[in-house]
Amino acid sequence: GQNIDQPTEMTATEGAIVQINCTYQTSGFNGLFWYQQHAGEAPTFLSYNVLDGLEEKGRFSSFLSRSKGYSYLLLKELQMKDSASYLCASSDSNYQLIWGAGTKLIIKP
Amino acid sequence: ETGVTQTPRHLVMGMTNKKSLKCEQHLGHNAMYWYKQSAKKPLELMFVYNFKEQTENNSVPSRFSPECPNSSHLFLHLHTLQPEDSALYLCASSQEGVESNQPQHFGDGTRLSIL
Repeated sequence: GQNIDQPTEMTATEGAIVQINCTYQTSGFNGLFWYQQHAGEAPTFLSYNVLDGLEEKGRFSSFLSRSKGYSYLLLKELQMKDSASYLCASSDSNYQLIWGAGTKLIIKP
Repeated sequence: ETGVTQTPRHLVMGMTNKKSLKCEQHLGHNAMYWYKQSAKKPLELMFVYNFKEQTENNSVPSRFSPECPNSSHLFLHLHTLQPEDSALYLCASSQEGVESNQPQHFGDGTRLSIL
């Protein structure tokens, strides 16, 4: 079956670094997406990885290992506004997104 | 302004009512999606329209009926829903069709409560 696993909830301190992990098992693979969703708002696109390695975009970076079925989202210099849910989604052989349940990130002062 | 607008934002209805959710995208995209989001569960893909043609129907009960009259508008018609259908319903769109694997742009959703 198809499955995406990510932690339910994480807590971090303002100014620190946090890594949110995601493991995936899908029939075929056409890339891995990360989205951010603030409470009561639309999910917004953060990153897309299809090749192994690290993609950096400002304070946010995303890593992919296709052989391990593993990705992480790295958030640096955390700000209070980063408190949100982070959704991992794998694109399968039909380009259908298989979603994780999301990781709720709580930032403390 | 997200570029994808959903109305209404909140909807409370009885199990025997008929209502419709509306989605409009202002981005010139060619693929549109309906998702169901329940608390602490993964997003569930319900329907996909690719260039106005329905390409996916992931075993959704017939009490949900989609309609895509043009590439900018998407409706979800609701009829005789069940309490377990209470959830956030999200609309999304992406550029150049499904197989381009472009990021999806989401609306803020309709929070649906079934009494």
